[in-house]
Amino acid sequence: SAVISQKPSRDICQRGTSLTIQCQVDSQVTMMFWYRQQPGQSLTLIATANQGSEATYESGFVIDKFPISRPNLTFSTLTVSNMSPEDSSIYLCSVGLLAGVNEQFFGPGTRLTVL
Amino acid sequence: GEDVEQSLFLSVREGDSSVINCTYTDSSSTYLYWYKQEPGAGLQLLTYIFSNMDMKQDQRLTVLLNKKDKHLSLRIADTQTGDSAIYFCAESPTTSGTYKYIFGTGTRLKVLA
Repeated sequence: SAVISQKPSRDICQRGTSLTIQCQVDSQVTMMFWYRQQPGQSLTLIATANQGSEATYESGFVIDKFPISRPNLTFSTLTVSNMSPEDSSIYLCSVGLLAGVNEQFFGPGTRLTVL
Repeated sequence: GEDVEQSLFLSVREGDSSVINCTYTDSSSTYLYWYKQEPGAGLQLLTYIFSNMDMKQDQRLTVLLNKKDKHLSLRIADTQTGDSAIYFCAESPTTSGTYKYIFGTGTRLKVLA
């Protein structure tokens, strides 16, 4: 298993600013993912964070808006850039353990409100 | 498309059984998953089923898989108030070439005392 922490747990931000969310895992993992969960909605994958290379973004998400860093196998950051109220969501990171049943473990999420 | 569909809401009385349904699209998924999200918390894996199985039972949870119809269900026996949460099914299509998940729309279960 893996224990994941995220910082901050919540924030209220002004339109046009940027917020960086941190994700820390208690063990080295290969796969790390960032999801967005808009109010009352399901989880949508933003990107796969790759260690040592650029993140792999899903359709509809771009690096300029959601830059991601993955400097090592236990840490990643997601930045939400030039925020607008439509970016108000919960942002979750998860890690995938490739062994076994490909289970993903999720962090507690960061609740972002953009005014 | 990659839509995984679920009914949005389910309300049951404490002690009754709950059945949450999911329709998925990609038959290449090796495993199918059920996750639980409690208010203000992240997601927790409840159970999973291997794609070549029809049924899996795990204490109060029973998962049924109909591959022909691409239909997955989660039955919770003797539902308790602590089971109130949002339940997501998820698939991990091997055709994607990655290990990413596709989540269902989520079912909000409300258990009435």
